[in-house]
Amino acid sequence: KQEVTQIPAALSVPEGENLVLNCSFTDSAIYNLQWFRQDPGKGLTSLLLIQSSQREQTSGRLNASLDKSSGRSTLYIAASQPGDSATYLCAVISGGGADGLTFGKGTHLIIQP
Amino acid sequence: EPEVTQTPSHQVTQMGQEVILRCVPISNHLYFYWYRQILGQKVEFLVSFYNNEISEKSEIFDDQFSVERPDGSNFTLKIRSTKLEDSAMYFCASSVLAGGPQETQYFGPGTRLLVL
Repeated sequence: KQEVTQIPAALSVPEGENLVLNCSFTDSAIYNLQWFRQDPGKGLTSLLLIQSSQREQTSGRLNASLDKSSGRSTLYIAASQPGDSATYLCAVISGGGADGLTFGKGTHLIIQP
Repeated sequence: EPEVTQTPSHQVTQMGQEVILRCVPISNHLYFYWYRQILGQKVEFLVSFYNNEISEKSEIFDDQFSVERPDGSNFTLKIRSTKLEDSAMYFCASSVLAGGPQETQYFGPGTRLLVL
């Protein structure tokens, strides 16, 4: 059974810093990996999707990498801003015809002004 | 930009009552999903739906749950006899297709269900 773990559980940094969020998954046979942002009491906003054949994806100040063989992904946020404060979730679609995403518990990020 | 919408945003019900949560997926999408998030816990997959039938369901999706696409736009989740442990945020999602490496799932804002 696929398990997704995110480290750290919480992170608080001053504005302007570059930071890295980590995600690991137990079964490397995945179709893709998605990073989401969740604001308090709100829905999930898709940030980046990395296909299993890709090594990284970039969108603005965000860069996500994937090392499928080791079961790891990182989300790099450059020049962090207070508006980046949210919970960041990592989720995978496992192989074998699965439809549903398996989520990690998330990293709660606070960017101090 | 097209969005997944959900109604109601909040629902309070008594234990044992039936509830129906409603979703309008993005119009050209073909796969629809329900997830739930119990407070403080992970988002969990419940069910996926394609071509008017269930494609995949998790262990959580027992006989108390059902899904339906009653018309060309709505997608519903019914809980027949709610339990206290059904209290959670329920998210609807949709994607163009499913299972492929390129398929992004787009999520709605959620319905917060409280069972008393």
